[in-house]
Amino acid sequence: DTGVSQNPRHKITKRGQNVTFRCDPISEHNRLYWYRQTLGQGPEFLTYFQNEAQLEKSRLLSDRFSAERPKGSFSTLEIQRTEQGDSAMYLCASSPGQNQETQYFGPGTRLLVL
Amino acid sequence: GESVGLHLPTLSVQEGDNSIINCAYSNSASDYFIWYKQESGKGPQFIIDIRSNMDKRQGQRVTVLLNKTVKHLSLQIAATQPGDSAVYFCAENTHAGTALIFGKGTTLSVSS
Repeated sequence: DTGVSQNPRHKITKRGQNVTFRCDPISEHNRLYWYRQTLGQGPEFLTYFQNEAQLEKSRLLSDRFSAERPKGSFSTLEIQRTEQGDSAMYLCASSPGQNQETQYFGPGTRLLVL
Repeated sequence: GESVGLHLPTLSVQEGDNSIINCAYSNSASDYFIWYKQESGKGPQFIIDIRSNMDKRQGQRVTVLLNKTVKHLSLQIAATQPGDSAVYFCAENTHAGTALIFGKGTTLSVSS
């Protein structure tokens, strides 16, 4: 399968713990995006990378969130000191590298903070 | 505000009927639009896209119509099948933008 992959698919954690998610984009896609989706809502943009550079962050991305894409391939999203409000589906998408391109989504990581 | 909204939260149809899902957008600077299908527990799946220099685009069993005058987008699904049951989102993007802006979605239920 050459689509976007995400791991883990599900994560249950206790409030205050740190969690890290991984996204592997479609091969040779230069852009990688992170979105968050809560129940009944559409995805909301968090941040994106052009190769290894993080070029844009949403105001939704609080100081407890950090994303990296060290080699311009896979990316990680870390949430520190998780809160119950962080419970959501975290989606990763990738695109070849221009504006106004189709973004292809992965299956998401569903996070539940107890 | 700059957001994409859908007219109906749910749509129920019989197998074989044609389905029309509507979307209104408010950002006049948006000029690229995508329809996604999302099944339960999965990520959004690309269906079809359209740019603002077009008013209609067809795919396999799907057609997207864009009316820039009233800022309206629709997705038509021909001969709807039970496998089409899902939540459908329209998303918009501006020429200078990178983030897709999604609406709340329409849940399509197809009964056989």
